[in-house]
Amino acid sequence: DVKVTQSSRYLVKRTGEKVFLECVQDMDHENMFWYRQDPGLGLRLIYFSYDVKMKEKGDIPEGYSVSREKKERFSLILESASTNQTSMYLCASRSSWLDNEKLFFGSGTQLSVL
Amino acid sequence: RKEVEQDPGPFNVPEGATVAFNCTYSNSASQSFFWYRQDCRKEPKLLMSVYSSGNEDGRFTAQLNRASQYISLLIRDSKLSDSATYLCVVSLAYSGAGSYQLTFGKGTKLSVIP
Repeated sequence: DVKVTQSSRYLVKRTGEKVFLECVQDMDHENMFWYRQDPGLGLRLIYFSYDVKMKEKGDIPEGYSVSREKKERFSLILESASTNQTSMYLCASRSSWLDNEKLFFGSGTQLSVL
Repeated sequence: RKEVEQDPGPFNVPEGATVAFNCTYSNSASQSFFWYRQDCRKEPKLLMSVYSSGNEDGRFTAQLNRASQYISLLIRDSKLSDSATYLCVVSLAYSGAGSYQLTFGKGTKLSVIP
């Protein structure tokens, strides 16, 4: 089965720190995504990438950037963490074949910014 | 107007009951439809795709009504293990390179009680 691995399950950072969230998938998927999930707001797309070095903004990209240097790895970067970025971050991957839109999620990183 | 709307619940039902969730979407050009399940403090996982003709998987039945722009999920003979949040997911736009951007509803929480 597909495995999507996020580097940390829990992370505590201070305001202003630069934060890296790493995600690795092992199924050679072209598409990778970063979402955040907040109570009452559901999952919101931050950024996605449909191939190496390709990226597109999602619905809430402000305050975030991403990096996709290798196909299996998609990194989310908080250049200067703020308290309103405290959230559950979920990475996902998917094959780009049109008949296979199933998303595979990592187990999430609960980030707290103090 | 929200793109994908769901009744947040919670739905509290006894074991053995039949429960139905609805989800409405605003974009008539939406391409594909899915139900995901998310257990407490876990990542979402695909429950089933929703096809135009309706489809069934064991106790679960999904229906799509394009004219009224809603999809539904019916769970028969509810089990305790069905307790989870059910997310309606709609594929809204082609984002390039074979990638369709998915939009998630906020989810409907189901609690099956003994």
